[in-house]
Amino acid sequence: LAKTTQPISMDSYEGQEVNITCSHNNIATNDYITWYQQFPSQGPRFIIQGYKTKVTNEVASLFIPADRKSSTLSLPRVSLSDTAVYYCLVGDIENDMRFGAGTRLTVKP
Amino acid sequence: GAVVSQHPSWVICKSGTSVKIECRSLDFQATTMFWYRQFPKQSLMLMATSNEGSKATYEQGVEKDKFLINHASLTLSTLTVTSAHPEDSSFYICSGVAVSSYEQYFGPGTRLTVT
Repeated sequence: LAKTTQPISMDSYEGQEVNITCSHNNIATNDYITWYQQFPSQGPRFIIQGYKTKVTNEVASLFIPADRKSSTLSLPRVSLSDTAVYYCLVGDIENDMRFGAGTRLTVKP
Repeated sequence: GAVVSQHPSWVICKSGTSVKIECRSLDFQATTMFWYRQFPKQSLMLMATSNEGSKATYEQGVEKDKFLINHASLTLSTLTVTSAHPEDSSFYICSGVAVSSYEQYFGPGTRLTVT
């Protein structure tokens, strides 16, 4: 069961790049790393998923070092609407998908 | 992406009554569905994992007789909160794992208030 550790909160300004790092020291071989975004009173929304190296999609990039003991979600040029809680999940979809505490990102004008 | 719906989106009930929450995968089949509970300003807490056609697996501390989960088909899972009490008031979220892609999709959540 890979436990994750993220910063509790982060502040940024509009237009900046935001990097949120998640530690998962006991990640298992079969585990994937998935990041979700959640707004108040809504279900989590999928952002990006990766296994190793770098993954990029239209909204974010995910950097995973060779040892896979951490990962970094990169949000380019954030806007006010990116203010939300971001969760890093590490696990095997068939077994356990438990959420950590998440990182509360506040984007300021 | 795939869509998961929950019904109702919010419900208010009296203490001692039971409430059923439906979770449907609208455009994909889900062999596995997860149920979470979230209290204000807290993270999602996994309550149980349900696989179609079999009994749900409950997390430690979650009473299986109080939170009844049924996953009768590949597109529907239900959570029934029996004899609800005010401390059961919470935001309940379900998710489904697509058979084809093993990706997890979340529902919009159901706000339960027990008075």
